[in-house]
Amino acid sequence: EDQVTQSPEALRLQEGESSSLNCSYTVSGLRGLFWYRQDPGKGPEFLFTLYSAGEEKEKERLKATLTKKESFLHITAPKPEDSATYLCAVQATADRGSTLGRLYFGRGTQLTVWP
Amino acid sequence: DTGVSQNPRHKITKRGQNVTFRCDPISEHNRLYWYRQTLGQGPEFLTYFQNEAQLEKSRLLSDRFSAERPKGSFSTLEIQRTEQGDSAMYLCASSLQTSREQYFGPGTRLTVT
Repeated sequence: EDQVTQSPEALRLQEGESSSLNCSYTVSGLRGLFWYRQDPGKGPEFLFTLYSAGEEKEKERLKATLTKKESFLHITAPKPEDSATYLCAVQATADRGSTLGRLYFGRGTQLTVWP
Repeated sequence: DTGVSQNPRHKITKRGQNVTFRCDPISEHNRLYWYRQTLGQGPEFLTYFQNEAQLEKSRLLSDRFSAERPKGSFSTLEIQRTEQGDSAMYLCASSLQTSREQYFGPGTRLTVT
């Protein structure tokens, strides 16, 4: 069964202290890996899509990378406004009658950045 | 582009009542998805439409759940005879057929008492 595991579950950083979040996945065939940010009581906000191993994407203080088995979200010099839950999701290639729609999400990493 | 909208944002209902949620996707997005999220978990897929056709349903979607997307525009998700276990955030997302990115709405928070 397709699975997504994120670690750590929670991470507390001081402002300016860089770190990385991990997302490991097991899918029959990867069609895309997605990172979302979710603030309390709100829907997930799209950040990045990665399609193949070796690919990297950047946006402000965030950089996402992808290998064949995992993805990392690197946060450089975080600020308190980066505090949120970061969700990783994968979309698998169609098999066993499944269409190309659904995303499989991990449980997320709750990031807190304190001043 | 006003984004995905969902109504109501919050719903409190008594066990056994029926509830209906509405999702308006980003205009011209022909794919629409429903997910459910409980506290401390990631969203879980419920069902998916391409235009007006419902193409996939999760086994999480029991017989008490029904979703429609008439005319391929907005969608409704109805839960009949609600149970306390139905309490969750119900999220809607949309995408273009040519794109893999799904954009989420703000969600409807359901509380069953």
